[in-house]
Amino acid sequence: QKEVEQDPGPLSVPEGAIVSLNCTYSNSAFQYFMWYRQYSRKGPELLMYTYSSGNKEDGRFTAQVDKSSKYISLFIRDSQPSDSATYLCAMSAGGAQKLVFGQGTRLTINP
Amino acid sequence: EAEVAQSPRYKITEKSQAVAFWCDPISGHATLYWYRQILGQGPELLVQFQDESVVDDSQLPKDRFSAERLKGVDSTLKIQPAELGDSAMYLCASSSRGGFTDTQYFGPGTRLTVL
Repeated sequence: QKEVEQDPGPLSVPEGAIVSLNCTYSNSAFQYFMWYRQYSRKGPELLMYTYSSGNKEDGRFTAQVDKSSKYISLFIRDSQPSDSATYLCAMSAGGAQKLVFGQGTRLTINP
Repeated sequence: EAEVAQSPRYKITEKSQAVAFWCDPISGHATLYWYRQILGQGPELLVQFQDESVVDDSQLPKDRFSAERLKGVDSTLKIQPAELGDSAMYLCASSSRGGFTDTQYFGPGTRLTVL
């Protein structure tokens, strides 16, 4: 079983929809949770970063962490065609522990 | 805006040949990472450098892969001999100090195809 599980999709929604992307994990030591966005033929770029449980909002994006359920989510409001990309969750126990990535969800926003 | 540079962007080689990838991190970044991303999967760390020293190479297949960062600036990742299963995107990233809260900035990657 992988440490981090992410539904690969693909996920296709109409412009303006609310998108929910999710990851589950098995390592209870994970404390730092990140979401990366990766456009085609590009490297990943950090979108959001959350420490421990709770919510974090940045514009149209909201990240949620539920450590009791080992479940994290990224919500995108008022989705735009420019949001079409692969979204990767990543997490770490901190310190010298490396980032562990999910396999990514490919998202398409249709105009 | 400073970026991580990688070359080549694409490489096609035959199995058993040697290949090398180059990475130039953002100026001043002490920590450099090499990741492998197989199609449809997330990146997996191969090796992490702090300045010129290897911090973590536990997932690097050392029988065929090698990495160096001689002067603590740019880095080279080599595969010899290449195998069919090595076909993947090889990503380089850098961060300022390597602490977990430091953002890792990724380069555009080198897409390797082994025939």
